[in-house]
Amino acid sequence: SQKIEQNSEALNIQEGKTATLTCNYTNYSPAYLQWYRQDPGRGPVFLLLIRENEKEKRKERLKVTFDTTLKQSLFHITASQPADSATYLCALGDGGTSYGKLTFGQGTILTVHP
Amino acid sequence: GAVVSQHPSWVICKSGTSVKIECRSLDFQATTMFWYRQFPKQSLMLMATSNEGSKATYEQGVEKDKFLINHASLTLSTLTVTSAHPEDSSFYICSARDPRVAGELFFGEGSRLTVL
Repeated sequence: SQKIEQNSEALNIQEGKTATLTCNYTNYSPAYLQWYRQDPGRGPVFLLLIRENEKEKRKERLKVTFDTTLKQSLFHITASQPADSATYLCALGDGGTSYGKLTFGQGTILTVHP
Repeated sequence: GAVVSQHPSWVICKSGTSVKIECRSLDFQATTMFWYRQFPKQSLMLMATSNEGSKATYEQGVEKDKFLINHASLTLSTLTVTSAHPEDSSFYICSARDPRVAGELFFGEGSRLTVL
């Protein structure tokens, strides 16, 4: 069965440093991978999407890589700020008529210390 | 960006009662919406795909008679938890795809259900 693992349950870093979160998957060939931010008691907020034929995507301080050979995605937040503290979820999805059905990882709780 | 609204944001009910949760796409039409459930400190689990004008498609292990989904219009899907029990207490979240925005999915704020 499909399995998605985010490398650690929690990650603590100092303000200004780069946070790197990892998402690994097995028994799956997703058409795309997405990263979401979730604050306590709130729904997920979309951050970035990367498709199976893309290697890297950037958006402001965010960068995502996608290695379909290693079955891994890395999510980077550069120049991190305390406001970046949240749970970050990776999610994998299929294309075509199944677009929008996502399988989520368990999330990594990021805490950025001032 | 597109907005998906859920109501109520939280609800407390007695065991055995039914609870309805609404999911609305406020500024776009969504032929498909998705319902997820999230237990504390766990990830989101897809429950079902809600299709406008047709029956919902449920994921394996999700009881369709317990979690009734109705998608009567292009902007509204409802999830009714029937005969709720304490083990149904969870955070229920819907999402929808805005066809005008490639790739992005929009999630509601979630509805916290507590069954006493």
